[in-house]
Amino acid sequence: QKEVEQNSGPLSVPEGAIASLNCTYSDRGSQSFFWYRQYSGKSPELIMSIYSNGDKEDGRFTAQLNKASQYVSLLIRDSQPSDSATYLCAVNPSGTYKYIFGTGTRLKVLA
Amino acid sequence: ETGVTQTPRHLVMGMTNKKSLKCEQHLGHNAMYWYKQSAKKPLELMFVYNFKEQTENNSVPSRFSPECPNSSHLFLHLHTLQPEDSALYLCASSHGGLAGGQGGELFFGEGSRLTVL
Repeated sequence: QKEVEQNSGPLSVPEGAIASLNCTYSDRGSQSFFWYRQYSGKSPELIMSIYSNGDKEDGRFTAQLNKASQYVSLLIRDSQPSDSATYLCAVNPSGTYKYIFGTGTRLKVLA
Repeated sequence: ETGVTQTPRHLVMGMTNKKSLKCEQHLGHNAMYWYKQSAKKPLELMFVYNFKEQTENNSVPSRFSPECPNSSHLFLHLHTLQPEDSALYLCASSHGGLAGGQGGELFFGEGSRLTVL
């Protein structure tokens, strides 16, 4: 089993819709979770961090964490063509300096 | 300057060359990282330094040699590389070792695109 799993996509959504990106992880003791956006040819850019179960909102972005199910998701409301990118999920296993990344989900927002 | 800066942004080298990648962080973080990103592969952690002490070496071939003189600077020395080492090399930094075992947010530099001929 991969440590961090994401559907590679592409996930296509129409402009203005909600995009839902999902991630599962294997280390049950993990406490720190992150979402990054990466445009083609660029480096990953941090969007959200989440540490506690539940929802965390920042503008059009909402991260959701369920530690019991080992599941973290990212919702993008009112999706824009500029949101088209690869979204990376990262997990920091507790007590380590390692950040484990999934392969990323490619999102396409159709105008 | 702000954030994490990497130089050079692009590097082309032959298999017998020796070159170095440089990274500097201006965020006051204590941990610095080298990641490798190849096409259609997840980000691969190569090395981690905490307060200039190496804490992770993810079975990286010895042709990659890291150096961390202080908690703000990180180098990756390259020698006798192979064409399959061509990739985007990303430096990152974070506040490691937060309370409760949590990890701080990880911030990346813009990357060094390496091509080995």
